[in-house]
Amino acid sequence: ETGVTQSPTHLIKTRGQQVTLRCSSQSGHNTVSWYQQALGQGPQFIFQYYREEENGRGNFPPRFSGLQFPNYSSELNVNALELDDSALYLCASSRGGGGSIDTQYFGPGTRLTVL
Amino acid sequence: KNEVEQSPQNLTAQEGEFITINCSYSVGISALHWLQQHPGGGIVSLFMLSSGKKKHGRLIATINIQEKHSSLHITASHPRDSAVYICAVCGLAGGTSYGKLTFGQGTILTVHP
Repeated sequence: ETGVTQSPTHLIKTRGQQVTLRCSSQSGHNTVSWYQQALGQGPQFIFQYYREEENGRGNFPPRFSGLQFPNYSSELNVNALELDDSALYLCASSRGGGGSIDTQYFGPGTRLTVL
Repeated sequence: KNEVEQSPQNLTAQEGEFITINCSYSVGISALHWLQQHPGGGIVSLFMLSSGKKKHGRLIATINIQEKHSSLHITASHPRDSAVYICAVCGLAGGTSYGKLTFGQGTILTVHP
C-alpha cells in the first residue's frame, strides 16, 4: 500500500448533482495530482496542486475544481455532473517541487457512477 | 495520433516467458513512468526514468530518449504479473505539458500457469 487514501470508494450520483472526492497524501508529500480514468482507457490528467496552489491543469472544464489544504490533503469537486463523468477518479501524491518528475504514489481510487 | 502509444494492447503469455511491452511518445519529455494497474483500479508505480535503464527484481525498464521509445521487460513471468501496464510521460520543463502526466492506453497482460 502507498499510504495515499481516497474517500469514498464508490459513489452514485444523478445528472446535475455536485460531488466532492477526497484524497489524503502520503506523509511528507506536498504535491497531489488528480486523474480521471474512463472504463477501458488510460487515466487523463485533471489538475495538480502543489503547496495549496494549482500547478497545472489538463483539458477539463471549469466545473472540475479542486483544493489543497495545509496538511496537503486535497479535494476534487465536480459540479453539474454529466453521464460522461462516470469514471474512476485517482489521486497521486509526490514530494518536492511540483511537476511529475517524482515517483507518483497512487490512491485506490473513487468509482463515480452518474445516472 | 496519441502522444503516447503502447504496444501490444493485449498480451498473453505462458508462465516463465520473457515479456516486452513497448511505449513510443511523440513529445519531448522530462521523465517517463511505468505503472501497473490491477483489477479494481489500484495503480502502483514501477519505474520512473529519464535515461538509460532501471531494474527491480524481474522487471527491467529501458528508455532511448533520441528514439522517443521505452520498453518494459518482465523476465520469468508469473500469473501474478497479470495486470494492465501503463506508460506515462511528463513534458519538458517550461513547456505547456510540464507538471502533468500523459498516459498511454495500457497493455493488458495475462500470464497463464
